[in-house]
Amino acid sequence: EAGVAQSPRYKIIEKRQSVAFWCNPISGHATLYWYQQILGQGPKLLIQFQNNGVVDDSQLPKDRFSAERLKGVDSTLKIQPAKLEDSAVYLCASSLALASGRTDTQYFGPGTRLTVL
Amino acid sequence: AQSVTQLGSHVSVSEGALVLLRCNYSSSVPPYLFWYVQYPNQGLQLLLKYTTGATLVKGINGFEAEFKKSETSFHLTKPSAHMSDAAEYFCAVSDVGSASKIIFGSGTRLSIRP
Repeated sequence: EAGVAQSPRYKIIEKRQSVAFWCNPISGHATLYWYQQILGQGPKLLIQFQNNGVVDDSQLPKDRFSAERLKGVDSTLKIQPAKLEDSAVYLCASSLALASGRTDTQYFGPGTRLTVL
Repeated sequence: AQSVTQLGSHVSVSEGALVLLRCNYSSSVPPYLFWYVQYPNQGLQLLLKYTTGATLVKGINGFEAEFKKSETSFHLTKPSAHMSDAAEYFCAVSDVGSASKIIFGSGTRLSIRP
């Protein structure tokens, strides 16, 4: 079974530029997550999708970050314009389904390491 | 709000020695608890999780963790460390009511001495 795919693996941009990351979850997984992992910290949830709908985007900086999952499969996370503090690893994860009171295992992709100069 | 505290950002043990990584959570209601491992340049992989039932949870690669409600702890152990265990380990928690929202600790880097 193929895992969660992410691209690119590395990206270097200058501040105020824009950048986009792509994620393809495990086939059949309804729930998709984007996390931000700053060096020395644990991952922080940015946004969670259930199929093509947003379940939680409370920690997404909406003035510069956007994400979509139009067909309920793959997803794109965009930053525009980037700031120095956006330098981090962006992790995508997916899980089978969301059911009230249950926790499904989240499977993580390898991440995209973003450096903002 | 839920949170976890991992004691020690870096732990170093000798190969063959006991591994003990500490995690304490803050919650008035027993939550779901997890341990994830992250190898260099890779994503996170679930080691084990506690939801309900038996408080001693066995995971992959010989790791286990015990949920102690009285101590609000979920420490990770392995009897004998192997060089391949060198990685970053994250303790995490989620509410029973919003089980898919996982809050991660800051991580503990485990080094293994030959």
